[in-house]
Order: sequence, then C-alpha cells, then structure tokens
Amino acid sequence: DSGVTQTPKHLITATGQRVTLRCSPRSGDLSVYWYQQSLDQGLQFLIQYYNGEERAKGNILERFSAQQFPDLHSELNLSSLELGDSALYFCASSVAPGQGTDTQYFGPGTRLTVL
Amino acid sequence: AQTVTQSQPEMSVQEAETVTLSCTYDTSESNYYLFWYKQPPSRQMILVIRQEAYKQQNATENRFSVNFQKAAKSFSLKISDSQLGDTAMYFCAFGGAQKLVFGQGTRLTINP
Repeated sequence: DSGVTQTPKHLITATGQRVTLRCSPRSGDLSVYWYQQSLDQGLQFLIQYYNGEERAKGNILERFSAQQFPDLHSELNLSSLELGDSALYFCASSVAPGQGTDTQYFGPGTRLTVL
Repeated sequence: AQTVTQSQPEMSVQEAETVTLSCTYDTSESNYYLFWYKQPPSRQMILVIRQEAYKQQNATENRFSVNFQKAAKSFSLKISDSQLGDTAMYFCAFGGAQKLVFGQGTRLTINP
C-alpha cells in the first residue's frame, strides 16, 4: 500500500458525460500528479499540482481539468467524454515539487470505461 | 525531449532463473533519476528501484539490481532468483527537471 488513495475504483459512463476522479496523497506529500494509461500503453503525464498550485502540464486535453484543494486532495474532471477516454487514470504523490527527480508513489488507479 | 526505450516487449523465464530487462534513454540533462516500476495484474504501479545519476554505485534492493551505464545511457534491471510473483509489466522511467517519462514497458512472465 503506497498511502495514496483514489476513488472510485471503477467508473462506467456514457459518451458526452462528465466525471470526477478523486485522489488523496500520502501524508506529508505536497505534490500530486495525474497520469493516463490506455490499454497496454505506458503512462502519459497529464498534470501536476504542488501545494494547491498548478506546477506542470503534460498532454492534457482541454476537456480535462484538475485542481488541488487546501487539504491537498486533488480532483481530475473529465468532460464531454469520448470512447477514447477509456483508460486507467493514476494519481501519484511526492514530497517536493521536483517532478522527475522526486520519487512518486502511485495510487491504485481509477478505471474509466466510456460506452 | 527525453525519451525512454524498452526494446523487449515481452520476456519469459523459468522460476528461480535470473532475468535482465533493458532500458535506454536519451537526455541532455546532467542531474536526473531513473526508476523501475512494476505493474502486476492488479494494475497497481509499484516502485521497484531508484538510481540517482550522480551516483556511480548501482542501486540494489534485495533480488533487484540495476546496471547503470551513464555514458551509454543504459539502465537495465536484473531480477535474481525470479519468483512467480515477479510476473508483471515493468516500466523504466526517466526523471529529470521536468516530468517523469515512462518507457512502453516489458511484459515479464515467470513460469513455474
């Protein structure tokens, strides 16, 4: 158990809908990262927050947005969902804002299925 | 931009054997970290081992060790005395000043 929690575990929805994925980082970690993993693919970095502020952006679609709250939990909002958005969405956390040079610990992921 | 290449999409070995997974990367940065993550069938991403680029000594964690060749930009993972529970996807990742970049993964199967 990494200490990073994600809810829900599974989400099934229809095209055009909007969903919210939630992540709570490890105790003491200030950075939260979101990744997308499509079937049998590597992980694609979406976005990072550090202590409530957006720190870095990756290949995140305009239909996707995220935020980090004062209690440091984070939410990833996905709207106007398309079939191609079906994937495993991971949250990771780390202590510092160092991104690549800071060890990231991953949550169990949320599996999103868009029908 | 940094790239990470894992040239072995799949590997299969017998239990108790030693197996080495390959990873190469490309970067112009001097300060970076390299990671191996394991993703078992449960899909959880588990950190296996970490190597700081400034350290010459290869990292080891029990049965897992790396062969870090900085000049060649190579970072292979060796699993000794492989166990059935080692069956998983293994991802090599490069961590520099910006985002963590992952390779495409190697699917490792340990056969009884």
